[in-house]
Amino acid sequence: GAVVSQHPSRVICKSGTSVKIECRSLDFQATTMFWYRQFPKKSLMLMATSNEGSKATYEQGVEKDKFLINHASLTLSTLTVTSAHPEDSSFYICSARRVTGTDNYEQYFGPGTRLTVT
Amino acid sequence: AQSVTQPDIHITVSEGASLELRCNYSYGATPYLFWYVQSPGQGLQLLLKYFSGDTLVQGIKGFEAEFKRSQSSFNLRKPSVHWSDAAEYFCAARGGADGLTFGKGTHLIIQP
Repeated sequence: GAVVSQHPSRVICKSGTSVKIECRSLDFQATTMFWYRQFPKKSLMLMATSNEGSKATYEQGVEKDKFLINHASLTLSTLTVTSAHPEDSSFYICSARRVTGTDNYEQYFGPGTRLTVT
Repeated sequence: AQSVTQPDIHITVSEGASLELRCNYSYGATPYLFWYVQSPGQGLQLLLKYFSGDTLVQGIKGFEAEFKRSQSSFNLRKPSVHWSDAAEYFCAARGGADGLTFGKGTHLIIQP
């Protein structure tokens, strides 16, 4: 159990276009999902916290108008990279938070999406 | 500010030898602590986690980690590594229900 999927796994887009990445919790409901970005040979950086039915919370330095997050249901969060530029090329990983007990949570990670902007 | 430090960027170990990967954290209170492994181009796999209780935590694939509050450390160990253990290892922490703070990762190379 506790499977998180991402779609697409890889995407190549042209500079100036927008691309949407989906994150789904397949067998549990997740009121909260997280979006991370991983640069080549670098660590993962938390970009934003996505909350079902409300606005996402962005980490300092992350442009909310560029990285649009929508958490429209308890199993789906989307990240849209708007007006993509080559510097947005990266590995984007989502995680979904599952409540496992009183004040106890687990995060389950998706397999990631490789975005290349040409 | 909250942070996780992995002092070793690369570690090379001979197959069959023991392994220890270092992790230190800086948090206001004892956070929840995790070790993840990532193979090239892949997502993250959870090896083990520490929330509370016994400070020696057993994980998958023969890994264990020891939480030492006095040293703010959570080092990962394995008594005998296999070639398939070559990967990137990330230590991570979170406070409460927040997103994770990751260390920069340690790249493990296994020599035959």
